Amino acid sequence: ETGVTQTPRHLVMGMTNKKSLKCEQHLGHNAMYWYKQSAKKPLELMFVYSLEERVENNSVPSRFSPECPNSSHLFLHLHTLQPEDSALYLCASSQDFRAAGNGYTFGSGTRLTVV
Amino acid sequence: GQQLNQSPQSMFIQEGEDVSMNCTSSSIFNTWLWYKQDPGEGPVLLIALYKAGELTSNGRLTAQFGITRKDSFLNISASIPSDVGIYFCAGLYGGATNKLIFGTGTLLAVQP
Repeated sequence: ETGVTQTPRHLVMGMTNKKSLKCEQHLGHNAMYWYKQSAKKPLELMFVYSLEERVENNSVPSRFSPECPNSSHLFLHLHTLQPEDSALYLCASSQDFRAAGNGYTFGSGTRLTVV
Repeated sequence: GQQLNQSPQSMFIQEGEDVSMNCTSSSIFNTWLWYKQDPGEGPVLLIALYKAGELTSNGRLTAQFGITRKDSFLNISASIPSDVGIYFCAGLYGGATNKLIFGTGTLLAVQP
């Protein structure tokens, strides 16, 4: 248990479905992140939130929509995804967005399969 | 942009062997971190390095922050089956965004 909890652990969805990934951190951190991990690729940073405000959006397609209602919760809303979006989606948090020297704490991820 | 080259991509070793992997970049980093990702889990921080030349150990793991600040290595001594996983380096280069850049990972398989 890292203090960052992601649900669900596994998700299979059709290309016309709408689903949401949830992340909750119990560490009192101020920054939260969404990463995409595909086979044989580096971790891809998708979104960064600092104190519920989005501070970075790395050219992610609009079919991925993040939401951060408070500093402990982060969602990733999914709609009309493509098969190439199948990947492990990791949530992470850090004490502060501009002081990440202690690294990020990751959740266990959601394994997403788009059929 | 910043990029971390991690090698080797994969290693298949016998239990008890020592392992060495490294990470290089064309950019200077202020912090180097090493993570391990077990199958089906997220990455977990193993070692953090904050100063050029710093050598830090965590049990059987030893990591060093290169003098040039452009590289780092991780050694695992006397490997055991539970060392299996993917090892990632990550660098923090400061600047306005101060975000972590991750390497491509080294897959380690240990045969009992």
